[in-house]
Amino acid sequence: DAGITQSPRHKVTETGTPVTLRCHQTENHRYMYWYRQDPGHGLRLIHYSYGVKDTDKGEVSDGYSVSRSKTEDFLLTLESATSSQTSVYFCAISDGARLGTDTQYFGPGTRLTVL
Amino acid sequence: QKEVEQDPGPLSVPEGAIVSLNCTYSNSAFQYFMWYRQYSRKGPELLMYTYSSGNKEDGRFTAQVDKSSKYISLFIRDSQPSDSATYLCAMTTGTASKLTFGTGTRLQVTL
Repeated sequence: DAGITQSPRHKVTETGTPVTLRCHQTENHRYMYWYRQDPGHGLRLIHYSYGVKDTDKGEVSDGYSVSRSKTEDFLLTLESATSSQTSVYFCAISDGARLGTDTQYFGPGTRLTVL
Repeated sequence: QKEVEQDPGPLSVPEGAIVSLNCTYSNSAFQYFMWYRQYSRKGPELLMYTYSSGNKEDGRFTAQVDKSSKYISLFIRDSQPSDSATYLCAMTTGTASKLTFGTGTRLQVTL
């Protein structure tokens, strides 16, 4: 998985609670991404980062926030989890050397269930 | 209408068959096309990467892009049970590091 770890790998939580997912990389890649994967929707981009403290919204950013204080770590926070946020979350990285065309490498995923 | 359409399957074929997986898209600005393979409960991994129209071959895999029809294909020759996975197409305009994915096609290769 190209030096990408995600934690936790599985989480069950209750509606209304805050949740933070962590992505850690050892590749020193500039770009990091958070996706969610749901049946019938495929992979959808939530937020991405193009450097420390530089982030931008993706296709489905409502209800999510992100932070990147170090090159190697990208955090995804659900401020108040809802059942619609039950999903599998994937982190991805790319080196940004060829903007728009460089390969994205994916982590193993976090399976989140919101009851 | 989604920007990228992909038949979710499942597609079941016998071992040794030729498999054809396809995606259509609506955004004519897409220039770079990828195929990812995803095994159950794993993250996607890049399988093939092509730029603009034409064919690209890598072992048993051939990626084909027809920009005039906005249609891309992945062919798998001599399919093996280890090819059983979900195949996702992805594409980008090349002007920003954002990929647009299809929903994925689940493939099962039977003995």
